[in-house]
Amino acid sequence: DAGVTQSPTHLIKTRGQQVTLRCSPKSGHDTVSWYQQALGQGPQFIFQYYEEEERQRGNFPDRFSGHQFPNYSSELNVNALLLGDSALYLCASSFWAGSSYNEQFFGPGTRLTVL
Amino acid sequence: DQQVKQNSPSLSVQEGRISILNCDYTNSMFDYFLWYKKYPAEGPTFLISISSIKDKNEDGRFTVFLNKSAKHLSLHIVPSQPGDSAVYFCAATSQGGSEKLVFGKGTKLTVNP
Repeated sequence: DAGVTQSPTHLIKTRGQQVTLRCSPKSGHDTVSWYQQALGQGPQFIFQYYEEEERQRGNFPDRFSGHQFPNYSSELNVNALLLGDSALYLCASSFWAGSSYNEQFFGPGTRLTVL
Repeated sequence: DQQVKQNSPSLSVQEGRISILNCDYTNSMFDYFLWYKKYPAEGPTFLISISSIKDKNEDGRFTVFLNKSAKHLSLHIVPSQPGDSAVYFCAATSQGGSEKLVFGKGTKLTVNP
């Protein structure tokens, strides 16, 4: 049973460019959350997708957008890249349980470097 | 504003001794707390959790203690092993179903043989 997978592993972009990161959730999971982990910081919540809709969003600008597909996989798009967007981007999947918490499983992340 | 704080960036202990990692939170709406372990080049992996209706949860060598009045939790690892060397993140959430996790900055634990 494959866990959460993310692609690509590493990515180098220049300022102003656009980037798309991809995530496949763990089998049986229907919810995908994205986190940004800057150097020396803990992961910070970007947004969460369930039933192909953005369910909750953290304090990130509109340059960050996402999508969830019918097979529950997800993409994170970042437009007009800034140097400060350099970070490890983590995808986490879980099974939506309504009012109770279900464990989130994290992928290995995509390391984005903006030059 | 940092709602979850881990004030010790690093901790070094000897193999076989106890490791104690601390975490403080400010948001009274948090009612579920988790510890994740992260090795380099890997994503965080879930270690142990505790609900706000409890003050202690054990899983093998790992025990988490919650002091709601002080808004403080700690992770105890006994005995510590070299394989426990990793970055440990404290995280909190509200069980309203959103599952959004708020993380601390992490504590790098080094267990020396």
